[in-house]
Amino acid sequence: AQSVAQPEDQVNVAEGNPLTVKCTYSVSGNPYLFWYVQYPNRGLQFLLKYITGDNLVKGSYGFEAEFNKSQTSFHLKKPSALVSDSALYFCAVRLSGGYNKLIFGAGTRLAVHP
Amino acid sequence: EAGVAQSPRYKIIEKRQSVAFWCNPISGHATLYWYQQILGQGPKLLIQFQNNGVVDDSQLPKDRFSAERLKGVDSTLKIQPAKLEDSAVYLCASSLSNSGLAQETQYFGPGTRLLVL
Repeated sequence: AQSVAQPEDQVNVAEGNPLTVKCTYSVSGNPYLFWYVQYPNRGLQFLLKYITGDNLVKGSYGFEAEFNKSQTSFHLKKPSALVSDSALYFCAVRLSGGYNKLIFGAGTRLAVHP
Repeated sequence: EAGVAQSPRYKIIEKRQSVAFWCNPISGHATLYWYQQILGQGPKLLIQFQNNGVVDDSQLPKDRFSAERLKGVDSTLKIQPAKLEDSAVYLCASSLSNSGLAQETQYFGPGTRLLVL
């Protein structure tokens, strides 16, 4: 079955430190992977996506993600965390076939402490 | 460019009542999605429209949920009758084309938070 997993419910990091939010996937065929962020009482905001090409994808607000095919991972990273990065982060995978259907992970809450 | 609009933002109803949510996608976007996000979970696709046709409603509880997208623009999602387990945030999203391209990004509205008592 095609799925995406976010193994950490919460990640805590000090402001200024690097952050990583983990995501692993299981799909048949080529994976198309997305990261979204959700602030309180807001919808999901698109951060970045991997379709093909360079394994390091750069996105909004200084975030980047590294696609690793051998480890079936797509971890979200940022070199220096800000308090304002505190939010809920969702990894998603597009299912092969179908009509651009996304399957989301359960989400990881990122808390950046001053 | 205006984003995806949804209303109302919040709704409280009693079980067995009916409720409707409205979504207006980004102008020119052919594909529209409705998701259900239960607290502590990721969004789950309920129904997907391309223009005004349904292309995926496999996870829509059709005995109580219905959705339409007249004229291929805005859409309504209805629940009748509501159950306690329908308490969730209902997110609408849209994407540009109607070809289901893998690289297409879905853009989300702010959601409607429903509480069923």
